[in-house]
Amino acid sequence: GAGVSQTPSNKVTEKGKYVELRCDPISGHTALYWYRQSLGQGPEFLIYFQGTGAADDSGLPNDRFFAVRPEGSVSTLKIQRTERGDSAVYLCATKKTGGPGELFFGEGSRLTVL
Amino acid sequence: DQQVKQNSPSLSVQEGRISILNCDYTNSMFDYFLWYKKYPAEGPTFLISISSIKDKNEDGRFTVFLNKSAKHLSLHIVPSQPGDSAVYFCAARGLRDDKIIFGKGTRLHILP
Repeated sequence: GAGVSQTPSNKVTEKGKYVELRCDPISGHTALYWYRQSLGQGPEFLIYFQGTGAADDSGLPNDRFFAVRPEGSVSTLKIQRTERGDSAVYLCATKKTGGPGELFFGEGSRLTVL
Repeated sequence: DQQVKQNSPSLSVQEGRISILNCDYTNSMFDYFLWYKKYPAEGPTFLISISSIKDKNEDGRFTVFLNKSAKHLSLHIVPSQPGDSAVYFCAARGLRDDKIIFGKGTRLHILP
């Protein structure tokens, strides 16, 4: 497809487990962003990549969260030792380099930690 | 510490009237401001943006106004239509980088 694709769309896991969330960007979009959205809140910035490198990871809440983008395309958000408070919708967005900031979002991965 | 604030969680407007959504920011180090619209179970979609060197940008029924001295921007929708019912997010892009941060959103209800 032509849009940003996120998998899985839903993930239910148990407290303490490891989770990976995947984002396939729009072809040619060099910037990739991860956000977390809890109920009634706006998208909370986690990290963004320019190409392969993390340009700003200041939003990652703690060292249980990690994201990679090894070839400058697909990105994976990894969460270790999940906690109930990690339950949220994780949104991925991409954009072309430069420009005012028109982000193209995927539909999100809903994570539920029991 | 929220740098982009939307203080109204919800707003109801009669169909055909003007909807005005407000946003305040605390950091002068933003170069672009953006509005996104979100329907349930979908990702946000870009609506309109404004450069920090402008005070107005218009696109069809949507106009964004920027008041830098007040660190305030607003989105005007006129006339409001039923399909405008959604959550609207204000966002800002950093001056020195591409980091984009969002407000908490305002849910707009267009009443028949």
